[in-house]
Amino acid sequence: EAGVAQSPRYKIIEKRQSVAFWCNPISGHATLYWYQQILGQGPKLLIQFQNNGVVDDSQLPKDRFSAERLKGVDSTLKIQPAKLEDSAVYLCASSSPGQYNEQFFGPGTRLTVL
Amino acid sequence: GNSVTQMEGPVTLSEEAFLTINCTYTATGYPSLFWYVQYPGEGLQLLLKATKADDKGSNKGFEATYRKETTSFHLEKGSVQVSDSAVYFCALSDVGGGFKTIFGAGTRLFVKA
Repeated sequence: EAGVAQSPRYKIIEKRQSVAFWCNPISGHATLYWYQQILGQGPKLLIQFQNNGVVDDSQLPKDRFSAERLKGVDSTLKIQPAKLEDSAVYLCASSSPGQYNEQFFGPGTRLTVL
Repeated sequence: GNSVTQMEGPVTLSEEAFLTINCTYTATGYPSLFWYVQYPGEGLQLLLKATKADDKGSNKGFEATYRKETTSFHLEKGSVQVSDSAVYFCALSDVGGGFKTIFGAGTRLFVKA
């Protein structure tokens, strides 16, 4: 079974530029999550999708971050414009119902904002 | 609100030493509890889980028991290996929190040969 795929693995941009990350969840997983993991901290949920609907985006900085999950499969997370404090690893995870919310994570995208 | 507190690292041990990483939680309901592990350059992966009080989760020689009376879920391993060097995250998911998973800050483990 293929795992959660993410791209790119690394990205370096300057502040005020825009950037987009892509995630392909495990086939059949209805729930998709985007997390921000700042160095030395645990992952923080940015947004959670159930199929193509948003379940929770309470911690998403909506003035600069956006996310979509077209057709309930792949998802894209965008930052525009980026700030220095956005430097972090962005993790995508997916889960399916009935697994006590066990989540399967992708390798992450490490973003550096200069 | 729900929260997870785990011991600060880094923890440095010699091979074959006994490992304990403490984790306590605060939750409004009856959460499921998890330990995730993150190896260098990789995403998180589930190590073990427990879904109700007194359950013991185990995997790869690691164990953790869900203690409702002390709101704890400490991770233990009797004999660590160099390959266990990683960051370990305690986490909870609770219906009272909309099943959102809350992670602790992580504890980095270094195992020396």
